[in-house]
Amino acid sequence: NAGVTQTPKFQVLKTGQSMTLQCAQDMNHEYMSWYRQDPGMGLRLIHYSVGAGITDQGEVPNGYNVSRSTTEDFPLRLLSAAPSQTSVYFCASSAFERGGPADTQYFGPGTRLTVL
Amino acid sequence: AQTVTQSQPEMSVQEAETVTLSCTYDTSESDYYLFWYKQPPSRQMILVIRQEAYKQQNATENRFSVNFQKAAKSFSLKISDSQLGDAAMYFCAYRYGGSQGNLIFGKGTKLSVKP
Repeated sequence: NAGVTQTPKFQVLKTGQSMTLQCAQDMNHEYMSWYRQDPGMGLRLIHYSVGAGITDQGEVPNGYNVSRSTTEDFPLRLLSAAPSQTSVYFCASSAFERGGPADTQYFGPGTRLTVL
Repeated sequence: AQTVTQSQPEMSVQEAETVTLSCTYDTSESDYYLFWYKQPPSRQMILVIRQEAYKQQNATENRFSVNFQKAAKSFSLKISDSQLGDAAMYFCAYRYGGSQGNLIFGKGTKLSVKP
């Protein structure tokens, strides 16, 4: 049971380049989400998904795209990287039952992204 | 909108002593959950403790306990018998109890432990 995995661990991009951050979980969790962590800002929600085929925006969605074709995978796409997207990105997942009690979120190890 | 505030950017404690980290939150909801996450230099986010708002009893996990004051919207973390391995960033987080369930984080408190 690997939990939540993220690839790559580190990435350097040039302004305007695109890339996809990968996130996978093997716990059969319905809920998955992406956060970014900036110094002094805590973690902020980018996008989230409550099941395959369902995604929604969080607090800071601009410049990012997501899709959820399977329960296991939730990739985050940067369409045209900008220096403001330099950050540490975390993927998280949790069991989810609509109308039921909120369950604990488990986090991946993070991806440190630098945009030059 | 819900907000989470951690008013102490940095804290320091002597090894084996007790330290309390503060957290306040703002919400109009009655059903919600509160968490403390630890982030050591490895960057991994580790759940320390969780509290359901409907439970009056304060949560406890070994050396970690919380003081949950629902009316005051306060959720402090007490670390007893502090150890060097407790040095980390600590984040307080709020999660609405409804179907969405997204986490809202405070900005964090950096805890140093002195030998």
